[in-house]
Amino acid sequence: AQTVTQSQPEMSVQEAETVTLSCTYDTSENNYYLFWYKQPPSRQMILVIRQEAYKQQNATENRFSVNFQKAAKSFSLKISDSQLGDTAMYFCALQEYGNKLVFGAGTILRVKS
Amino acid sequence: EAGVTQFPSHSVIEKGQTVTLRCDPISGHDNLYWYRRVMGKEIKFLLHFVKESKQDESGMPNNRFLAERTGGTYSTLKVQPAELEDSGVYFCASSQDLAGGPVNEQFFGPGTRLTVL
Repeated sequence: AQTVTQSQPEMSVQEAETVTLSCTYDTSENNYYLFWYKQPPSRQMILVIRQEAYKQQNATENRFSVNFQKAAKSFSLKISDSQLGDTAMYFCALQEYGNKLVFGAGTILRVKS
Repeated sequence: EAGVTQFPSHSVIEKGQTVTLRCDPISGHDNLYWYRRVMGKEIKFLLHFVKESKQDESGMPNNRFLAERTGGTYSTLKVQPAELEDSGVYFCASSQDLAGGPVNEQFFGPGTRLTVL
């Protein structure tokens, strides 16, 4: 069975600093996708970044990047130059081709000024 | 382009009553998913429609939950009768046909917060 674990229920970071959110997962498939979703307070969940398992290169989207370690089944999210607008709940999710998303429990990130 | 919309945004009902949640996916998206997040826990998959057909309903908790997607457009999720443990946030998501590409990005609605008293 697929599982996704986020071991950090809450984290804080000072504005302009860097923070890393952890995620580990388990799947028996070789082809799958990993995602980080962000849900700001009282707003819709949006996709932050995605990684295809067959790609060795880590995905990057502006200030957001991932450290994908396939053998270790680890998929952490690094946010550089944190901004107040990054305050949100962050969910790590796993998807096998075409199927449902399996989510972690989420990490609340608070960016402090 | 309008995103995924859900109605109502909040619903408070008493145990034993019936509630119907609605989801309007992004126009043209054949895939529609329902998820649920019970307080403090993971977001859990409920079911997946491809057009009007149920592709996967392995996450539906029991037969008190009924999902429909008539005509392959909007979807409803009915809970009858509601129980206390049904409280949570119900999310809907939609995505394009898988033939459009390998990454089936799902776009989420704002969710419906259901409280059963």
